[in-house]
Amino acid sequence: QVQLQQWGAGLLKPSETLSLTCGVYGGSFADYYWSWIRQPPGKGLEWIGDINQSGNTNNNPSLKSRVTISMDTSKNQFSLTLSSVTAADTAVYYCAREYAVANFDYWGQGTLVTVSS
Amino acid sequence: QSALTQPASVSGSHGQSITISCTGTSSDVGGYNFVSWYQQHPGRAPKLLIYDVNNRPSGVSNRFSGSKSGNTASLTISGLQAEDEADYYCSSFAGSSNHNVFGSGTKVTVL
Repeated sequence: QVQLQQWGAGLLKPSETLSLTCGVYGGSFADYYWSWIRQPPGKGLEWIGDINQSGNTNNNPSLKSRVTISMDTSKNQFSLTLSSVTAADTAVYYCAREYAVANFDYWGQGTLVTVSS
Repeated sequence: QSALTQPASVSGSHGQSITISCTGTSSDVGGYNFVSWYQQHPGRAPKLLIYDVNNRPSGVSNRFSGSKSGNTASLTISGLQAEDEADYYCSSFAGSSNHNVFGSGTKVTVL
């Protein structure tokens, strides 16, 4: 059974850098893309970007310049950094496995990241 | 990259069927058969219900079905039950540049 467990800082000040990591337990790490998705409080889902084992990444154009997604295949982990955060980046951030094309079949538990001065 | 358009809310009585629409463009929904649907209960992570327009993952009830016509995809929930009360999101592949876009979300209420 595949499980995704995520962790990272939950409270940031404006201009700081968001950093989250997602660990993948069970199943193959190599055969999929791994995504980050966020959800502002009371709002809808927004895809942030993804990465595969070869290090190929895709990013949401609206966030592209601030987003870095990386991975550590030796630990079956992938990470998200989002620079220069503002209050608009306050959201629950999820990691997810991408099955085939753009189907997210396993999700992490979510991490609420609040940006406040 | 605009969100796909869904009705804000849909309601139905217990046992009835409801349909949620998801309207995009020829660059996303209309251009690819890569539409998926998710159910999200409050405080929980989304759950994949439908993938590739009309396929159900193992373990998902056959009361959930998907379809697509042109730039609009649809999710139908038949035999509506109390536990179906949740938020529902569609998602579509949007090409190599935009990659993926979600819908605006629909709150389903069981009367």
